[in-house]
Amino acid sequence: EAQVTQNPRYLITVTGKKLTVTCSQNMNHEYMSWYRQDPGLGLRQIYYSMNVEVTDKGDVPEGYKVSRKEKRNFPLILESPSPNQTSLYFCASSLSAPLFRTRAFFGQGTRLTVV
Amino acid sequence: AQSVTQLGSHVSVSEGALVLLRCNYSSSVPPYLFWYVQYPNQGLQLLLKYTTGATLVKGINGFEAEFKKSETSFHLTKPSAHMSDAAEYFCAVSEGNQGAQKLVFGQGTRLTINP
Repeated sequence: EAQVTQNPRYLITVTGKKLTVTCSQNMNHEYMSWYRQDPGLGLRQIYYSMNVEVTDKGDVPEGYKVSRKEKRNFPLILESPSPNQTSLYFCASSLSAPLFRTRAFFGQGTRLTVV
Repeated sequence: AQSVTQLGSHVSVSEGALVLLRCNYSSSVPPYLFWYVQYPNQGLQLLLKYTTGATLVKGINGFEAEFKKSETSFHLTKPSAHMSDAAEYFCAVSEGNQGAQKLVFGQGTRLTINP
């Protein structure tokens, strides 16, 4: 089954403790992206990757890192989480850019709470 | 940068009634427009998209949307609401070189269906 898998689904952590949210897709997609969803703000892009070893900042990259060492995986790293990073996070992938030509698939989300 | 505005963060309709969810965008170039649906505890699913061609676009689950360039709108409609339509709906536009880099989302509209 074609899917984007995020782990963990729920995470509560303390300020400053490094964490990684994993994202994996089984569709051989080139394009992957991370979004955060906050009430009243919709989804905002954090980082995206057009292909292996190619990543770039989205609208809200501060406090986050990503890597794309292999096509299927695109982990999101919070080196020193802060409470303002409490949010619902979504990973998405699509076969390639441009996005309007191919459908984007979304993971089920990771709800992160930083206390 | 593009922006997407969804009028009404909450919409409530009776089962069997018309569903109308409003979306306006800002764009100086022809946009690529999308509607996504998010059911509780799930990721986003593509409902429909407009790229080029016919301005009335039909999607899944009986939804459709009409691209009106003169009004910079892409409103989502369904003639008869069903209880299973209760969800959050997001309008989005693709941005970047040829629409490649990211989806810009509206704030979302939560649709409630009354029995």
